[in-house]
Amino acid sequence: AQTVTQSQPEMSVQEAETVTLSCTYDTSESDYYLFWYKQPPSRQMILVIRQEAYKQQNATENRFSVNFQKAAKSFSLKISDSQLGDAAMYFCAYRSGDSGDKLTFGTGTRLAVRP
Amino acid sequence: NAGVMQNPRHLVRRRGQEARLRCSPMKGHSHVYWYRQLPEEGLKFMVYLQKENIIDESGMPKERFSAEFPKEGPSILRIQQVVRGDSAAYFCASSPQREKLFFGSGTQLSVL
Repeated sequence: AQTVTQSQPEMSVQEAETVTLSCTYDTSESDYYLFWYKQPPSRQMILVIRQEAYKQQNATENRFSVNFQKAAKSFSLKISDSQLGDAAMYFCAYRSGDSGDKLTFGTGTRLAVRP
Repeated sequence: NAGVMQNPRHLVRRRGQEARLRCSPMKGHSHVYWYRQLPEEGLKFMVYLQKENIIDESGMPKERFSAEFPKEGPSILRIQQVVRGDSAAYFCASSPQREKLFFGSGTQLSVL
């Protein structure tokens, strides 16, 4: 079974600075997808960024980028120019390329942004 | 195009009562997923449904929990004889195919 580990329960960043959230995963599959979701206090799960395992290029979405290290099974999220609205829980998630139905989530990292 | 709609947003039940959680997927989406989030934890997969079919229920507790997605109307997650351990946020997600998921805002179930 796949597992997703987020080893940082809480992180803090100064507004306008950069922060990196860590995620590692364990799988024996070669075809899979990785995601970062943001969950603000409203509880809505918002997709931040997605990475296909077969793509070597790291995904980027505006201020959000990932460092995908397939051999190390690491998938960290970098948030540049942090804004107050970035404060939220961030969840790393894995999806198999075969079954394609289920997301396996990590336990989350709570990000605080200091003004 | 409205997002995934879940209601109620908050639901309070006493032990032994039934809880019914509703999820209306986005228009055109025929795949529905239910997840449960316990406090300070990530979401855990419960069940995956298509119209009138349960595709994968490997995450559903064997007793008291059931889910349906009828031809017409919302998907329903039903919990019979609730216990305190059922208190959690229950999220629904939908997708047009087996691709990107769109999540609702969840139903917070509190069992007294």
